[in-house]
Amino acid sequence: KAGVTQTPRYLIKTRGQQVTLSCSPISGHRSVSWYQQTPGQGLQFLFEYFSETQRNKGNFPGRFSGRQFSNSRSEMNVSTLELGDSALYLCASSRLSPGTGFGNTIYFGEGSWLTVV
Amino acid sequence: DQQVKQNSPSLSVQEGRISILNCDYTNSMFDYFLWYKKYPAEGPTFLISISSIKDKNEDGRFTVFLNKSAKHLSLHIVPSQPGDSAVYFCAARPNTGNQFYFGTGTSLTVIP
Repeated sequence: KAGVTQTPRYLIKTRGQQVTLSCSPISGHRSVSWYQQTPGQGLQFLFEYFSETQRNKGNFPGRFSGRQFSNSRSEMNVSTLELGDSALYLCASSRLSPGTGFGNTIYFGEGSWLTVV
Repeated sequence: DQQVKQNSPSLSVQEGRISILNCDYTNSMFDYFLWYKKYPAEGPTFLISISSIKDKNEDGRFTVFLNKSAKHLSLHIVPSQPGDSAVYFCAARPNTGNQFYFGTGTSLTVIP
């Protein structure tokens, strides 16, 4: 079955602009998590949605927001872009919320590369 | 505060030999651990997992070991192949949380 799909794959934005990234989870998966990857920082957790509700949020400013739709697709938005927001943004889906028992692995999409100039 | 640490940024191993990637964590509430492999310009790919009720899990050439008392896990790849060259991330989840905490990754190079 199809994996996690993220769009767009690459984009360049100017400081001060806003950006919206989209994620379609694996069919049947109801949880979507977002991560930011920057060099040397590993993957930093942004937020997790399950059944259209934000279940958990990482330590990022309010400029970073997200939402999940009834079909489990998710979007994340970054407003007032800063140079430091340049990163790979990864979406991951899982069948259940990651906090549910063992064996509930999260599967990643290929990511959206954001460059802020 | 980095709760999951991969202290070796890089590792080089000869083809056919064993690769050992290490990961340390600080939170005793972590109960579920995953390893991912990542090629450039691709998303991380799930490799293997282990829960805190086990100390070893094996899947083909990949074995993960968990030492709860030392708060340490390791990934063994035997035998190593050139296609294993990638960045490896370990991740951990607390028993009351909905998020995974990731290490900063170890770049493995398998030399033919």
